[in-house]
Amino acid sequence: GQQVMQIPQYQHVQEGEDFTTYCNSSTTLSNIQWYKQRPGGHPVFLIQLVKSGEVKKQKRLTFQFGEAKKNSSLHITATQTTDVGTYFCAGRDNAGNMLTFGGGTRLMVKP
Amino acid sequence: SQTIHQWPATLVQPVGSPLSLECTVEGTSNPNLYWYRQAAGRGLQLLFYSVGIGQISSEVPQNLSASRPQDRQFILSSKKLLLSDSGFYLCAWKRPGLTLNEKLFFGSGTQLSVL
Repeated sequence: GQQVMQIPQYQHVQEGEDFTTYCNSSTTLSNIQWYKQRPGGHPVFLIQLVKSGEVKKQKRLTFQFGEAKKNSSLHITATQTTDVGTYFCAGRDNAGNMLTFGGGTRLMVKP
Repeated sequence: SQTIHQWPATLVQPVGSPLSLECTVEGTSNPNLYWYRQAAGRGLQLLFYSVGIGQISSEVPQNLSASRPQDRQFILSSKKLLLSDSGFYLCAWKRPGLTLNEKLFFGSGTQLSVL
């Protein structure tokens, strides 16, 4: 079945440093979604990417979808303490089946 | 607007006891409903999903079952809990249909500890 791997599993950064999490799928995806889960909270949808090579920005967050639609990344510029949480990617395969979540990257930011 | 309610927020149960977690959605009709489990510090594992009343699909064999007695109600149950059932249980919904481009809305979750 489809597998979605996400690295790194954990990342400690100093406030102001950049952060990137990477997502790789074993199969070609029709789209990929990103979610953020604050400590003790529930996942909240951030964005969806659909097109090959697509890049979207939300303030300090930049999301990319690979040309082959098998990988994606989330980059945060100049992290802030409010960025703390776990970031999940979730990919849907071309058959339109269930979303498969990556294992998540837990981001910790030192003030 | 649509809202999703999930309860209880926390639950401590002894091994071998039954379980019932409830999730309801308001403000939408015929939603697709999901139950996920998240082990501590881990990713989201899909347990069950439902596209309509009485229609349940299971993703992994386990000690749990799900039911959808009403359009906007999704229940997760167990007859006898195991230690390995501990975790953070999340209910989620999405708009109905076969569209590929729909996001999930998650409930606030239930932290289940089986002792």
